[in-house]
Amino acid sequence: GAVVSQHPSWVICKSGTSVKIECRSLDFQATTMFWYRQFPKQSLMLMATSNEGSKATYEQGVEKDKFLINHASLTLSTLTVTSAHPEDSSFYICSARDRGMWAFFGQGTRLTVV
Amino acid sequence: AQSVTQPDIHITVSEGASLELRCNYSYGATPYLFWYVQSPGQGLQLLLKYFSGDTLVQGIKGFEAEFKRSQSSFNLRKPSVHWSDAAEYFCAVVNTGTASKLTFGTGTRLQVTL
Repeated sequence: GAVVSQHPSWVICKSGTSVKIECRSLDFQATTMFWYRQFPKQSLMLMATSNEGSKATYEQGVEKDKFLINHASLTLSTLTVTSAHPEDSSFYICSARDRGMWAFFGQGTRLTVV
Repeated sequence: AQSVTQPDIHITVSEGASLELRCNYSYGATPYLFWYVQSPGQGLQLLLKYFSGDTLVQGIKGFEAEFKRSQSSFNLRKPSVHWSDAAEYFCAVVNTGTASKLTFGTGTRLQVTL
């Protein structure tokens, strides 16, 4: 199946700093990428949808200035958590959609803000 | 808006026993339905999907699911569970009218006893 690579797998950062997470589709062109956040023992919450070359569409309640999403190419999307705080600590997962409709997921990034 | 309900938060089965994980959806049109599995600290792996056609869908790792429109259900089954099947299982539905965003159920944690 298609492969989506997410990097880094885990990151620890100091409060107030910014962290960038990359999501790459390795063997297909991802016209749309999705970013999810998952709290411990909970389901995935969609944060935003990004289409290549256009601005991301954020879900209600998600701060677009805090969670910057860039989808500059058909194989790469990035999520930058700006001025991170401990409450931003979470598991972030990206998924990439090909033209066949279904979504392939990255392995996730565990962010811990101290 | 579509929604997905997974009534069982936690299920424990013995290795070798059969398994059925329940999933009910609420969606006006014919849904696109998915089952994903997530191991601890990992991303999501697609087990199977239903778009149309045969209502009994075969997936990877010996899993299958049956779409029952009359019951608005898409239950996941496996005849004989292996210890390596212990994980979190998510049912999801896609809204074809909104950029193919996946809506996830709350998940069912499967524990397998030896």
